[in-house]
Amino acid sequence: GQQLNQSPQSMFIQEGEDVSMNCTSSSIFNTWLWYKQEPGEGPVLLIALYKAGELTSNGRLTAQFGITRKDSFLNISASIPSDVGIYFCAGRGEYGNKLVFGAGTILRVKS
Amino acid sequence: GAVVSQHPSRVICKSGTSVKIECRSLDFQATTMFWYRQFPKKSLMLMATSNEGSKATYEQGVEKDKFLINHASLTLSTLTVTSAHPEDSSFYICSVLDRSGNTIYFGEGSWLTVV
Repeated sequence: GQQLNQSPQSMFIQEGEDVSMNCTSSSIFNTWLWYKQEPGEGPVLLIALYKAGELTSNGRLTAQFGITRKDSFLNISASIPSDVGIYFCAGRGEYGNKLVFGAGTILRVKS
Repeated sequence: GAVVSQHPSRVICKSGTSVKIECRSLDFQATTMFWYRQFPKKSLMLMATSNEGSKATYEQGVEKDKFLINHASLTLSTLTVTSAHPEDSSFYICSVLDRSGNTIYFGEGSWLTVV
Protein backbone atom coordinates (compact mmCIF):
# COMPACT_ATOMS: atom_id res chain seq x y z
CA GLY A 1 0.00 0.00 0.00
CA GLN A 2 0.89 3.64 -0.11
CA GLN A 3 3.38 4.84 2.49
CA LEU A 4 4.79 8.18 3.43
CA ASN A 5 8.25 8.68 4.83
CA GLN A 6 8.40 11.73 7.06
CA SER A 7 11.59 13.18 8.40
CA PRO A 8 13.04 14.14 10.71
CA GLN A 9 11.39 12.09 13.40
CA SER A 10 12.01 14.79 15.99
CA MET A 11 13.68 18.18 16.33
CA PHE A 12 14.80 20.15 19.36
CA ILE A 13 15.62 23.68 18.26
CA GLN A 14 16.34 27.09 19.67
CA GLU A 15 13.59 29.69 19.61
CA GLY A 16 14.01 31.88 16.54
CA GLU A 17 15.50 29.16 14.36
CA ASP A 18 13.90 28.02 11.14
CA VAL A 19 12.54 24.48 10.83
CA SER A 20 12.20 22.23 7.83
CA MET A 21 10.52 18.85 7.55
CA ASN A 22 9.55 16.76 4.57
CA CYS A 23 7.64 13.79 3.35
CA THR A 24 8.34 11.50 0.46
CA SER A 25 6.37 8.73 -1.14
CA SER A 26 6.91 6.04 -3.72
CA SER A 27 3.41 6.79 -5.04
CA ILE A 28 1.92 9.84 -6.67
CA PHE A 29 -0.42 11.98 -4.59
CA ASN A 30 -3.03 14.46 -5.76
CA THR A 31 -3.25 16.35 -2.48
CA TRP A 32 -0.77 17.04 0.28
CA LEU A 33 -1.96 18.24 3.66
CA TRP A 34 0.06 19.35 6.65
CA TYR A 35 -1.38 19.11 10.16
CA LYS A 36 -0.22 20.05 13.63
CA GLN A 37 -1.32 18.08 16.64
CA GLU A 38 -0.94 19.14 20.25
CA PRO A 39 -1.20 16.67 23.15
CA GLY A 40 -4.71 15.39 23.71
CA GLU A 41 -6.19 17.19 20.72
CA GLY A 42 -7.10 16.36 17.16
CA PRO A 43 -4.87 17.41 14.26
CA VAL A 44 -5.39 20.95 13.00
CA LEU A 45 -4.99 21.67 9.31
CA LEU A 46 -2.11 24.05 8.60
CA ILE A 47 -1.73 24.05 4.84
CA ALA A 48 -3.40 22.22 1.96
CA LEU A 49 -1.68 21.75 -1.41
CA TYR A 50 -3.54 20.66 -4.51
CA LYS A 51 -1.21 21.13 -7.49
CA ALA A 52 2.28 19.93 -8.32
CA GLY A 53 4.76 22.74 -7.76
CA GLU A 54 2.34 24.72 -5.60
CA LEU A 55 3.99 26.82 -2.91
CA THR A 56 1.67 28.09 -0.18
CA SER A 57 2.26 30.17 2.92
CA ASN A 58 0.27 30.52 6.11
CA GLY A 59 1.94 33.11 8.33
CA ARG A 60 5.38 31.77 9.26
CA LEU A 61 4.61 28.43 7.60
CA THR A 62 5.43 27.61 4.01
CA ALA A 63 4.76 24.31 2.27
CA GLN A 64 5.36 23.05 -1.24
CA PHE A 65 3.88 20.26 -3.34
CA GLY A 66 6.77 18.62 -5.14
CA ILE A 67 6.91 18.66 -8.92
CA THR A 68 7.07 14.87 -9.06
CA ARG A 69 3.93 14.72 -6.86
CA LYS A 70 5.80 12.32 -4.61
CA ASP A 71 7.06 14.73 -1.98
CA SER A 72 6.26 17.82 0.05
CA PHE A 73 8.05 19.97 2.57
CA LEU A 74 6.96 22.26 5.38
CA ASN A 75 9.09 25.13 6.63
CA ILE A 76 8.51 27.12 9.80
CA SER A 77 10.40 30.37 10.06
CA ALA A 78 11.50 32.08 13.29
CA SER A 79 10.12 29.37 15.57
CA ILE A 80 8.41 30.28 18.81
CA PRO A 81 7.54 28.16 21.86
CA SER A 82 3.92 27.65 20.79
CA ASP A 83 5.13 25.87 17.64
CA VAL A 84 5.73 22.84 19.85
CA GLY A 85 3.74 19.82 18.77
CA ILE A 86 3.69 16.93 16.34
CA TYR A 87 3.51 17.79 12.66
CA PHE A 88 2.01 15.28 10.27
CA CYS A 89 2.04 15.24 6.52
CA ALA A 90 -0.80 13.47 4.80
CA GLY A 91 -1.43 12.64 1.19
CA ARG A 92 -4.40 11.63 -0.90
CA GLY A 93 -3.77 9.40 -3.86
CA GLU A 94 -5.36 9.35 -7.26
CA TYR A 95 -8.10 7.01 -6.18
CA GLY A 96 -10.37 7.29 -3.19
CA ASN A 97 -10.64 9.79 -0.36
CA LYS A 98 -8.48 8.15 2.26
CA LEU A 99 -5.50 9.99 3.69
CA VAL A 100 -2.13 8.34 4.12
CA PHE A 101 -0.21 9.79 7.05
CA GLY A 102 3.45 10.23 7.75
CA ALA A 103 4.77 9.07 11.11
CA GLY A 104 5.00 12.63 12.36
CA THR A 105 7.76 15.06 13.33
CA ILE A 106 7.95 15.97 17.01
CA LEU A 107 9.03 19.59 17.37
CA ARG A 108 10.38 20.99 20.61
CA VAL A 109 11.48 24.59 20.97
CA LYS A 110 13.97 25.81 23.54
CA SER A 111 13.38 29.37 24.66
CA GLY B 1 -14.11 28.16 14.37
CA ALA B 2 -14.36 24.41 14.67
CA VAL B 3 -15.51 22.53 11.62
CA VAL B 4 -15.87 19.16 13.30
CA SER B 5 -17.04 18.44 16.84
CA GLN B 6 -16.56 15.23 18.77
CA HIS B 7 -18.30 14.15 21.93
CA PRO B 8 -17.44 13.12 24.56
CA SER B 9 -13.88 14.38 24.77
CA ARG B 10 -13.13 11.92 27.55
CA VAL B 11 -14.97 8.82 28.68
CA ILE B 12 -14.23 6.10 31.18
CA CYS B 13 -16.21 2.88 30.98
CA LYS B 14 -16.18 -0.48 32.63
CA SER B 15 -14.86 -3.52 30.84
CA GLY B 16 -17.66 -5.31 29.00
CA THR B 17 -19.82 -2.26 28.46
CA SER B 18 -20.34 -0.32 25.24
CA VAL B 19 -19.55 3.32 24.63
CA LYS B 20 -20.64 5.64 21.84
CA ILE B 21 -18.61 8.51 20.41
CA GLU B 22 -20.26 11.14 18.23
CA CYS B 23 -18.74 13.11 15.38
CA ARG B 24 -20.58 16.12 14.01
CA SER B 25 -19.85 18.18 10.93
CA LEU B 26 -20.70 21.75 11.93
CA ASP B 27 -20.20 23.76 8.76
CA PHE B 28 -21.42 21.53 5.96
CA GLN B 29 -23.12 18.31 5.14
CA ALA B 30 -20.62 15.50 4.96
CA THR B 31 -21.29 12.35 3.01
CA THR B 32 -17.95 10.93 4.05
CA MET B 33 -16.42 10.81 7.51
CA PHE B 34 -13.43 8.86 8.76
CA TRP B 35 -12.63 7.25 12.09
CA TYR B 36 -9.06 6.92 13.34
CA ARG B 37 -7.36 5.47 16.34
CA GLN B 38 -4.15 6.89 17.72
CA PHE B 39 -1.72 5.46 20.27
CA PRO B 40 0.56 7.78 22.26
CA LYS B 41 3.24 9.43 20.14
CA LYS B 42 2.14 7.47 17.08
CA SER B 43 0.51 8.46 13.85
CA LEU B 44 -3.18 8.11 13.10
CA MET B 45 -4.45 4.71 12.10
CA LEU B 46 -7.51 4.71 9.86
CA MET B 47 -10.17 2.37 11.19
CA ALA B 48 -13.04 2.91 8.80
CA THR B 49 -14.65 5.20 6.28
CA SER B 50 -18.20 6.17 7.17
CA ASN B 51 -20.56 6.82 4.27
CA GLU B 52 -23.93 8.46 4.83
CA GLY B 53 -26.77 6.10 4.13
CA SER B 54 -24.62 3.04 3.54
CA LYS B 55 -22.41 0.64 5.42
CA ALA B 56 -19.03 1.75 6.63
CA THR B 57 -15.91 0.48 4.92
CA TYR B 58 -13.51 -1.01 7.44
CA GLU B 59 -9.74 -1.23 7.13
CA GLN B 60 -8.08 -4.58 7.24
CA GLY B 61 -7.76 -5.90 10.76
CA VAL B 62 -10.52 -3.73 12.23
CA GLU B 63 -13.41 -5.76 13.64
CA LYS B 64 -16.67 -4.37 12.30
CA ASP B 65 -18.72 -6.05 15.02
CA LYS B 66 -16.50 -4.54 17.66
CA PHE B 67 -16.44 -1.01 16.29
CA LEU B 68 -19.92 -0.19 15.04
CA ILE B 69 -20.21 2.85 12.82
CA ASN B 70 -23.44 4.57 11.99
CA HIS B 71 -23.70 7.54 9.62
CA ALA B 72 -27.42 8.15 9.74
CA SER B 73 -27.39 11.81 8.73
CA LEU B 74 -25.21 14.13 6.70
CA THR B 75 -23.88 15.81 9.84
CA LEU B 76 -23.48 12.96 12.29
CA SER B 77 -21.47 9.76 12.44
CA THR B 78 -21.15 7.62 15.55
CA LEU B 79 -18.60 5.04 16.61
CA THR B 80 -19.71 2.50 19.20
CA VAL B 81 -17.07 0.41 20.89
CA THR B 82 -18.92 -2.71 21.94
CA SER B 83 -17.97 -4.97 24.84
CA ALA B 84 -15.01 -2.74 25.56
CA HIS B 85 -11.80 -4.15 26.95
CA PRO B 86 -8.81 -2.34 28.47
CA GLU B 87 -6.86 -2.81 25.22
CA ASP B 88 -9.51 -0.68 23.49
CA SER B 89 -8.35 2.29 25.54
CA SER B 90 -7.07 4.83 23.08
CA PHE B 91 -7.54 8.23 21.47
CA TYR B 92 -10.24 8.06 18.81
CA ILE B 93 -10.48 10.83 16.23
CA CYS B 94 -12.97 11.46 13.46
CA SER B 95 -12.51 13.54 10.36
CA VAL B 96 -14.75 14.97 7.71
CA LEU B 97 -14.23 15.35 3.98
CA ASP B 98 -15.22 18.86 2.97
CA ARG B 99 -17.63 19.88 0.21
CA SER B 100 -14.88 20.20 -2.38
CA GLY B 101 -13.75 16.67 -1.61
CA ASN B 102 -10.20 17.93 -1.35
CA THR B 103 -9.62 18.74 2.29
CA ILE B 104 -10.12 16.78 5.48
CA TYR B 105 -10.78 18.36 8.85
CA PHE B 106 -10.41 16.58 12.17
CA GLY B 107 -12.43 16.56 15.35
CA GLU B 108 -10.89 17.23 18.73
CA GLY B 109 -10.62 13.56 19.54
CA SER B 110 -12.09 11.39 22.27
CA TRP B 111 -10.06 9.69 24.97
CA LEU B 112 -11.49 6.31 25.89
CA THR B 113 -10.32 4.57 29.03
CA VAL B 114 -11.67 1.11 29.77
CA VAL B 115 -11.21 -0.01 33.36
